Amino acid sequence: SYVVTQPPSVSVAPGKTATISCGGDNIGSKSVHWYQQKPGQAPVLVIYYDTERPSGIPERFSGSNSEDTATLTISRVEAGDEADYYCQTWDSRTDRVVFGGGTKVTVL
Amino acid sequence: QLQESGPGLVKPSETLSLTCSASGGSISNKNFYWGWIRQAPGTGLEWIGSIFYSGSTYYNPSLKRRVTIFVDTSKNQFSLKLTSVTAADTAVYYCARRSSPALWYFDLWGRGALVTVSS
Repeated sequence: SYVVTQPPSVSVAPGKTATISCGGDNIGSKSVHWYQQKPGQAPVLVIYYDTERPSGIPERFSGSNSEDTATLTISRVEAGDEADYYCQTWDSRTDRVVFGGGTKVTVL
Repeated sequence: QLQESGPGLVKPSETLSLTCSASGGSISNKNFYWGWIRQAPGTGLEWIGSIFYSGSTYYNPSLKRRVTIFVDTSKNQFSLKLTSVTAADTAVYYCARRSSPALWYFDLWGRGALVTVSS
């Protein structure tokens, strides 16, 4: 089955840029979506279709996807961005939704 | 909005049953799929399965033997049944909506329901 891999953790200073990777075999050929989950809360969609932002999501959140890596970028990081972030795609070979293991973003 | 409901405690080997109520919109909307995702304590997200209002379903192959998802359009609800539960099924269970006709992503989530499997 298709596997996507995320780093367990990323640390970033306020005002700097955080990049979170999501690796998978030829993931650039798939659509990748990203969720933010704060402690005790449900996930929130922050990026869909690789690069699109839902309404209400700040422009500081952006995404890209090419070859074997999809990336979520958070610019001008704020304390409120501290959360777990999950990438997600669809495996058409097995007809299943696949989530990455999640990345904990810590704001220093 | 989506709201999960059901027992918070289930005994091992029994069946876990949860319902998701949709308010502010129709569960029969032809653009929507509805799904269940769970999160065991301290771990990541695991997709359980999804259903269209017509009843067509997709299930996670790793859970397929034990899972049934069904829709009750008269109540604007959809439900999850997971049989033969063990402690490994202890998790927060989320219901969620997929609103894109072409892409599998979830743009609306319930708040989640914690289900503990214990005798």
